[in-house]
Amino acid sequence: DVVLTQSPLSLPVTLGQPASISCRSSQRLAYSDGNDHLNWFHQRPGQSPRRLIYKVSNRDSGVPDRFSGSGSGTDFTLKISRVEAEDVGIYYCMHGTHWYTFGQGTKLEIK
Amino acid sequence: QVQLVQSEVGVKKPGASVRVSCKASGYTFPSFGITWVRQAPGQGLEWMGWISAYTGNTNYAQRFQGRVTMTTETSTSTAYMDLRSLRSDDTGIYYCARVTCGSTSCYDLDYWGQGTLVTVSS
Repeated sequence: DVVLTQSPLSLPVTLGQPASISCRSSQRLAYSDGNDHLNWFHQRPGQSPRRLIYKVSNRDSGVPDRFSGSGSGTDFTLKISRVEAEDVGIYYCMHGTHWYTFGQGTKLEIK
Repeated sequence: QVQLVQSEVGVKKPGASVRVSCKASGYTFPSFGITWVRQAPGQGLEWMGWISAYTGNTNYAQRFQGRVTMTTETSTSTAYMDLRSLRSDDTGIYYCARVTCGSTSCYDLDYWGQGTLVTVSS
C-alpha cells in the first residue's frame, strides 16, 4: 500500500513568518490521465476539511495566494508565505484516483 | 453554490447498521461522484470509498470491503453510505465529499459535507 508521510507533524509558527509542510509518498503512482492527483486540505477545529490545492499546485477559488503547492514524483510541499492567525489547524495531503491515501496530518499552531 | 448536507445519526449499538445520507445541491449531480471519509475521535482522515453518480461504479477501501455499500439516488441528488456490523472503533465523524470522475476512477475531492457523528456504544 502507498503511504504518505508528512513532516513535521507539529508546526509552531510566529505570525507573519513562512511555513512549509512536506508530503512524501512511499512510491510514485502512475496516473492514467497524466496528472499528479496530489491535494492539500486544511481542517480547523470542529470543521470539515477544506481543499486548498489540487493537482499539486493549483490553488482553489478563494484560497489566499500566500498558499502554494509544489513537487513531483514522490515529494510534495505546501508553503505558506506569511502565516496568519486563521491558518491554524491541521493540514493533510492526499493523493489518489482509484484509491486514496491521506497523510497523517500536520498541526499548525501560532507560537 | 455547491452544498452537501448530511443526515444526523446518533448512537448505534454494536452489530447494528447505519445509513448516512448526503444530499447535494448547486451542481449537476450525475456529473460527479461522491466519496466518503471517516475521522475517528482525535485522529486523521481515512478514505472509505467512492461512487460515481453517473455510472454507479464503486471502489471501496480494502478494510471496509464487505461491510460498506455506497449508493446514489439521482432523482433526489442524494448519496448514501451503509456500514454494517458496527464496532466501537467505527465511532467517528463520517464525511461525504464531491469528486470528479473519469471513465474508470474518481479523484480530487473538492466540496465536503458538514460531517455526521456516528457513535457505536452499547
